[in-house]
Amino acid sequence: DIQLTQSPSFLSASVGDRVTITCRASQDVSNYLAWYQQKPGKAPKVLIYSASTLQSGVPSRFSGSGSGTQFTLTISSLQPEDFATYHCQQLKSYPLTFGGGTKVEIK
Amino acid sequence: EVHLVESGGGLVQPGRSLRLSCSASGFNFGDYAMSWVRQAPGKGLEWLGFIRSKAFGGTTENAASVKGRFSISRDDSKSIAYLQMNSLETEDTAVYYCTRSESASWYKGLDSWGQGTLVTVSS
Repeated sequence: DIQLTQSPSFLSASVGDRVTITCRASQDVSNYLAWYQQKPGKAPKVLIYSASTLQSGVPSRFSGSGSGTQFTLTISSLQPEDFATYHCQQLKSYPLTFGGGTKVEIK
Repeated sequence: EVHLVESGGGLVQPGRSLRLSCSASGFNFGDYAMSWVRQAPGKGLEWLGFIRSKAFGGTTENAASVKGRFSISRDDSKSIAYLQMNSLETEDTAVYYCTRSESASWYKGLDSWGQGTLVTVSS
């Protein structure tokens, strides 16, 4: 199985901050990586797929980059509605594993 | 608008079985692969498996952690996906989500999710 390691697992940031979350894969997943946002008590929603393609309707302050084993999710200017948990998922091979999640909280 | 609604969750004793249903609307259900993902309390997401659309064989892939106990099926005539869970263990306690992905564009990820249904396994 491909393991995904997210870092940090928790971060505290202020509105307007630039935030970067990293997802590292134990094997090459090419660009078959998606990012999801999950708010408390809600289902996740996809933000980015194919490592860097923004899902329709997602604000442009979100961006993704990377390929192979190293990926990043960047929020260019954190907004109040962005405080949530972010998950990465690889879609290269079964099982389609998720990272452990990164919780972004208000400083 | 796409809607996925899970049902069938609840309290169940260890060793018993439960079948979850996912009722879909707002899209052509038969064209999509359907997946199940769970989240234990305070934990991350765990992909359980999925079933391809009939056009792609209608076959399933399952996570090793639940293989042999959990199985996924679908009824395209009713637009429902199922998760059959047998020999339940306390560690199966989680919110279970139904999700969909495009059959030919699976790399786009799980683009719609249900609200989830809570399964509690306890004596």
